[in-house]
Amino acid sequence: GQSLEQPSEVTAVEGAIVQINCTYQTSGFYGLSWYQQHDGGAPTFLSYNGLDGLEETGRFSSFLSRSDSYGYLLLQELQMKDSASYFCAVPDTGRRALTFGSGTRLQVQP
Amino acid sequence: SQTIHQWPATLVQPVGSPLSLECTVEGTSNPNLYWYRQAAGRGLQLLFYSVGIGQISSEVPQNLSASRPQDRQFILSSKKLLLSDSGFYLCAWRPSGGRTDTQYFGPGTRLTVL
Repeated sequence: GQSLEQPSEVTAVEGAIVQINCTYQTSGFYGLSWYQQHDGGAPTFLSYNGLDGLEETGRFSSFLSRSDSYGYLLLQELQMKDSASYFCAVPDTGRRALTFGSGTRLQVQP
Repeated sequence: SQTIHQWPATLVQPVGSPLSLECTVEGTSNPNLYWYRQAAGRGLQLLFYSVGIGQISSEVPQNLSASRPQDRQFILSSKKLLLSDSGFYLCAWRPSGGRTDTQYFGPGTRLTVL
């Protein structure tokens, strides 16, 4: 089966940079994705890494190292609206559904 | 453009009562559909997924069931709710030929079982 580990909570100040790590154990690997979820809201897709390296989308970047079974989400120039939970996820072995990590709650302080 | 709807938005039900949650997707055909449950402050647990009408895969044994009577309609049901069924129920879809990693979630139904 698939399993993912991420820190439960991270705190940072406005304007700073924060990194949210994710380690995974999978039977077959088909990429690592990241989702954002604000309190009471639905998760929204942020980014995907299929190959090693860094993917950048505006203030958000995501990194993958397949040899280390590790990835991270990097958030720059933090804003108060970035306070949310962030989930890493991997496809299951049948590539039909996603297995999500337990989520990292990011609190951005003024 | 594609949109996904869920209703009701919130629901309070007594233990032992039946449940029916509905999810519909507009603007696409033959989507892959998913039901997830999220306990307070926790991650998403995949409950069911469907790749077509009448095709349901169950991920977790429980007192819930799912049905897909139409191409873009996905229903989550229970005959008798348990306290442990409380949670945030999310429906999601992705294009049938699209990447598994990119799913689009509905607004969710918050269920409280008393």
